[in-house]
Amino acid sequence: DTGVSQNPRHKITKRGQNVTFRCDPISEHNRLYWYRQTLGQGPEFLTYFQNEAQLEKSRLLSDRFSAERPKGSFSTLEIQRTEQGDSAMYLCASSLNSGGVSETQYFGPGTRLLVL
Amino acid sequence: AQKITQTQPGMFVQEKEAVTLDCTYDTSDPSYGLFWYKQPSSGEMIFLIYQGSYDQQNATEGRYSLNFQKARKSANLVISASQLGDSAMYFCAMRERNTGGFKTIFGAGTRLFVKA
Repeated sequence: DTGVSQNPRHKITKRGQNVTFRCDPISEHNRLYWYRQTLGQGPEFLTYFQNEAQLEKSRLLSDRFSAERPKGSFSTLEIQRTEQGDSAMYLCASSLNSGGVSETQYFGPGTRLLVL
Repeated sequence: AQKITQTQPGMFVQEKEAVTLDCTYDTSDPSYGLFWYKQPSSGEMIFLIYQGSYDQQNATEGRYSLNFQKARKSANLVISASQLGDSAMYFCAMRERNTGGFKTIFGAGTRLFVKA
């Protein structure tokens, strides 16, 4: 399967612990996006990369969150000192930069985080 | 103000019937893209269909078609011949220019139930 993959699929952690999620995009895609989705809502943008450069970060991305894409392939999203409010689905998407409004993002299965 | 509004939290349809899922959007930019995604209970967002603001014809992809009414700023998804496997959350999204590039914004979704 050559779609977007995410690991782990589920993560349960205690408040105050650090967690790291991984996303492997579709191989030829140069853009990678992270979204957060809470119950009953659509995905909310967190950040995105073009190759290895992180080009934009949402105000939702507090300083406890950090994302990397060191070689322009896979990406990691780390949350430090987790809080119960961080409980959500974290979705990764990738795309080929079309430079405009037609750019279609393809999503992975998500990582569901529960902070106890 | 909401950029993407999906007014139907839940919809029921009989198997083999057609169903329309509503989506209205708000933008002052003449160039934008509209997308529909399906999210089954497994969590993955599946791309269904795209419509560009300058496209003259309504987009179609198999059993999916987009009823694009530009003056009304609506982009309703029509699913023909519903199948049990169509039961899922459906998200409407818009991609438009913003400071620093482009952004994709999602609505809150509509849950579709297909009855046998």
